[in-house]
Amino acid sequence: AQTVTQSQPEMSVQEAETVTLSCTYDTSENNYYLFWYKQPPSRQMILVIRQEAYKQQNATENRFSVNFQKAAKSFSLKISDSQLGDTAMYFCAFMNRDDKIIFGKGTRLHILP
Amino acid sequence: GAGVSQTPSNKVTEKGKYVELRCDPISGHTALYWYRQSLGQGPEFLIYFQGTGAADDSGLPNDRFFAVRPEGSVSTLKIQRTERGDSAVYLCASSLFGQGPSTDTQYFGPGTRLTVL
Repeated sequence: AQTVTQSQPEMSVQEAETVTLSCTYDTSENNYYLFWYKQPPSRQMILVIRQEAYKQQNATENRFSVNFQKAAKSFSLKISDSQLGDTAMYFCAFMNRDDKIIFGKGTRLHILP
Repeated sequence: GAGVSQTPSNKVTEKGKYVELRCDPISGHTALYWYRQSLGQGPEFLIYFQGTGAADDSGLPNDRFFAVRPEGSVSTLKIQRTERGDSAVYLCASSLFGQGPSTDTQYFGPGTRLTVL
């Protein structure tokens, strides 16, 4: 069975700093997809970034980038120049071809003014 | 609509009662998903519809939970004889084709917070 582990329940950083959220996963599949979702207090899950396992190049979306280490089954999220609006729960997630998303327990991120 | 909508936003019920939670997917999306998010946890998959049929219901915890999507758009998650352990946020998501993330993305609604007293 696939599992997703986020070892940091909560983190705080100063505005404009860079922060890295950790995620590891376990799977026997070779083809799969990884995601980072953001969940603000409004509860709505928002896709931040996605990575296809067959792609070696790390995905980047503006201030958000990932460090994907397939052999180590590691998928960390780096947020550069953090902003107050980045305060939220962040979930690392995994999907294979069956379309079910498996989420980690989340990391609560606080951006401090 | 512009996004996935869910009603009600909050639902409080008593143990043993029946509840229905509604999801309106993005117009034209053929795939619809239900997830349950307990306090302090990530969402957990419940059921996935492709059109009107349930393509995968392996996440439903027991036979008190049932979901329908009779016309291939709106879906209703039904919970019979509610228990306190059913208290959670129920999230709905939809995607255009449901053919995996290589072709499309799951867009989530704001969820329904269910509280069973």
